[in-house]
Amino acid sequence: DTAVSQTPKYLVTQMGNDKSIKCEQNLGHDTMYWYKQDSKKFLKIMFSYNNKELIINETVPNRFSPKSPDKAHLNLHINSLELGDSAVYFCASKGTSGVIRETQYFGPGTRLLVL
Amino acid sequence: KQEVTQIPAALSVPEGENLVLNCSFTDSAIYNLQWFRQDPGKGLTSLLLIQSSQREQTSGRLNASLDKSSGRSTLYIAASQPGDSATYLCASDNYGQNFVFGPGTRLSVLP
Repeated sequence: DTAVSQTPKYLVTQMGNDKSIKCEQNLGHDTMYWYKQDSKKFLKIMFSYNNKELIINETVPNRFSPKSPDKAHLNLHINSLELGDSAVYFCASKGTSGVIRETQYFGPGTRLLVL
Repeated sequence: KQEVTQIPAALSVPEGENLVLNCSFTDSAIYNLQWFRQDPGKGLTSLLLIQSSQREQTSGRLNASLDKSSGRSTLYIAASQPGDSATYLCASDNYGQNFVFGPGTRLSVLP
């Protein structure tokens, strides 16, 4: 069973469109994340969600909005897509066992290309 | 704000060599330090996690050490194999900032 899954795997779209990327985790984790990996392979956190509350937003444009219908899902909506949004987007999840902060589990990534 | 760097940026070695990858971080107030592997076109796979109270962790041919006072972690790979070829990233889990990743070291192990 896939622990963290993302759909779609590839997404090619025109500038100005609105698109969504879905993420689901079956690990029972309480925190989920979205990361952006640009063409230089730098991986930067965009959002994290803990128990349906957004707890970090790292200066991401408000065209990006995370939506969590339940603890197992964190979807990423992107409005008015721009060329610079082209990147690989990774979803991840993590559990917390008391004071021990556990490792993150990553999805396979969604490769977004904006034309 | 935490900054994480990794050296070297790329490394090419013949099969069988032992090698060390380096990770440095500026803020020692971390929960833990993690090493990940990323294969081309794939997601990240966790290799080792070192809690802030620990000095090292081992898994098979991999050994990761942590020295919080100097802001350094190393990943040691013994008897490297072509299947070890990938990009290795370290990430610090920080108080109040969540995860910060290094830029990665791209490793090629030649048969």
